[in-house]
Order: sequence, then C-alpha cells, then structure tokens
Amino acid sequence: KAGVTQTPRYLIKTRGQQVTLSCSPISGHRSVSWYQQTPGQGLQFLFEYFSETQRNKGNFPGRFSGRQFSNSRSEMNVSTLELGDSALYLCASRATGGPTDTQYFGPGTRLTVL
Amino acid sequence: QKEVEQNSGPLSVPEGAIASLNCTYSDRVSQSFFWYRQYSGKSPELIMSIYSNGDKEDGRFTAQLNKASQYVSLLIRDSQPSDSATYLCAVNMNSGGYQKVTFGTGTKLQVIP
Repeated sequence: KAGVTQTPRYLIKTRGQQVTLSCSPISGHRSVSWYQQTPGQGLQFLFEYFSETQRNKGNFPGRFSGRQFSNSRSEMNVSTLELGDSALYLCASRATGGPTDTQYFGPGTRLTVL
Repeated sequence: QKEVEQNSGPLSVPEGAIASLNCTYSDRVSQSFFWYRQYSGKSPELIMSIYSNGDKEDGRFTAQLNKASQYVSLLIRDSQPSDSATYLCAVNMNSGGYQKVTFGTGTKLQVIP
C-alpha cells in the first residue's frame, strides 16, 4: 500500500505571496492532519479534516486554511506569507481518527519564505 | 501542565547501552500511545504503538505503559549510532468529542560510538 504523499517537496516563496500544499493520504484513510515544524519547535498542530469537514483546529492565524476533497486528498493554503512561515509542513493520515487509530506521516514539504 | 510531556534532552548513551525515554500525559482516559522517531530534516516514522498496560516488545525496542501513573516509556536495547534521532511520544486524546493525536516536544537521543 502506498504511503502518504505530499507535493511539492520543496518550495521557495517571497513575503506576501500565497502557497498551496497538497497531501494524498494512504488509500482508505479518511482523516488528514496538518502540522508545522520549525527548528527547535515541536510539531505544531494546524488542523484535521475528516470526510471533507474540519473537526479540529490548532492556534494558527486565519492565513492558514485547508480543505479536503471527496477522495480524501487535502490541500493547505497559506496566504500573505511571512518570514516566520518558513518551516517543514507535515501531513499525516489515519483511517477514521478512532481511539486506537495509528497516524502515518508523509515526507513533508519544506517551505522557505524569503 | 502540558498534555504530553517529554524531557527534551539531549540524552547521551554509549553504543551498546540501553536508552530509556519517558513520557507523561494528562488525559486519564487516553487509550492509545505511540512512539515516533524523527531524523533531522525528515518526517516522523512510527516505531511502536501500545494500547494495554505492560510491556510490548519489537526487536530492540520495548514500549511500557502504565495508565494508572499516566506514563509511557520506550527502551532501546543495544543502542546504535543510527538510533541517534529525536523521539516523539504521541497520545490519542479526546478533543471536542474527537480523538486528536497530541505530541510531546520530543527527546533528542545521541548514541556515542
């Protein structure tokens, strides 16, 4: 079974631009979560989608948004990029998000904001 | 109190020794617990999951769970330099009626040859 895939793997943007990241979960998985990781910081939870609905959200400004499609693929958008948005963005999927579900990560998208 | 707490380290152990990584969590009713390994610049990789009190062994790795003490640990026997990484403890916790995976900040392990 193929793992979680993320595209693109690397991105360079300038301040003020916007960016869209894509994530394809493991086949059959309906829950997709997004995380931001910066050097020295742990995993910061952005949001989780399940069956096209956002069901959990972290403490990030409204510039960070996401959506999920009917095939469970998910996109994350960051508008008006700031230097501090430079980070590794990780997507993770799990089957349904039940109490014993295991979450698997994609390889990440490395975003650099200049 | 943080929901999932880990000592950030670094934890340094000599090659061949046992590395012991610890994690405590706040939600008394959590049912599932995970250990991930993350190499620098890479994404987290699942090592172990544990759901019941006691020990669970997989090769050189042993996860230990004590729900009464809200404590989960990971032992790495015969530590190798390739085990040098950050180890993340994760707990499935109730959040607004859903199960949310909550991570600790990770413990950096250094295995000295």
